[in-house]
Amino acid sequence: ELKVEQNPLFLSMQEGKNYTIYCNYSTTSDRLYWYRQDPGKSLESLFVLLSNGAVKQEGRLMASLDTKARLSTLHITAAVHDLSATYFCAVDGWDSNYQLIWGAGTKLIIKP
Amino acid sequence: DTAVSQTPKYLVTQMGNDKSIKCEQNLGHDTMYWYKQDSKKFLKIMFSYNNKELIINETVPNRFSPKSPDKAHLNLHINSLELGDSAVYFCASSQGRTSGPGTDTQYFGPGTRLTVL
Repeated sequence: ELKVEQNPLFLSMQEGKNYTIYCNYSTTSDRLYWYRQDPGKSLESLFVLLSNGAVKQEGRLMASLDTKARLSTLHITAAVHDLSATYFCAVDGWDSNYQLIWGAGTKLIIKP
Repeated sequence: DTAVSQTPKYLVTQMGNDKSIKCEQNLGHDTMYWYKQDSKKFLKIMFSYNNKELIINETVPNRFSPKSPDKAHLNLHINSLELGDSAVYFCASSQGRTSGPGTDTQYFGPGTRLTVL
């Protein structure tokens, strides 16, 4: 059974600092997603990582994937308040159920 | 144009009532989903529906039933509502991959906040 673990689950940080959110998964998969959810809002797709060593960047966010270690990271550079949100990783179950397996989410609070 | 839409946005009702939430997607996707998000923000897949094949999460009570009149719509009916059903329900859609199993990026609706009193 595929399981996805994120850590930390809660992160409070100061503006201007760097930090990393980790996403581990338990069995082979070929596709990993990062989503963002603002308070009271829906989920928005940020990145899809398709292969080992894949790296994607948008603004102050950079995501990477190591399929051998079954690990993805979401790195935040020089954080700003607008990045405060809950971040989810999700892994393709790679089966006929068309389902993603979701992490529990990391609530990120960035203080001015 | 809204890609995935849900109605209503808020739903407040009494225990024991029956209610429905509607979902429509205009992305041409072939797979739709219902998720439940509890107060701790944990996302639980309830159903996925692909080309009239329904895949049910076995932990979902049979009081919940999805109905899909066509590929662009997936509604959720809930019978005999209970306090524990209070949550935010998200509809999502995606396109299956062109080859092999698995799915592409899922796009989420705005959510329906259900409160059972």
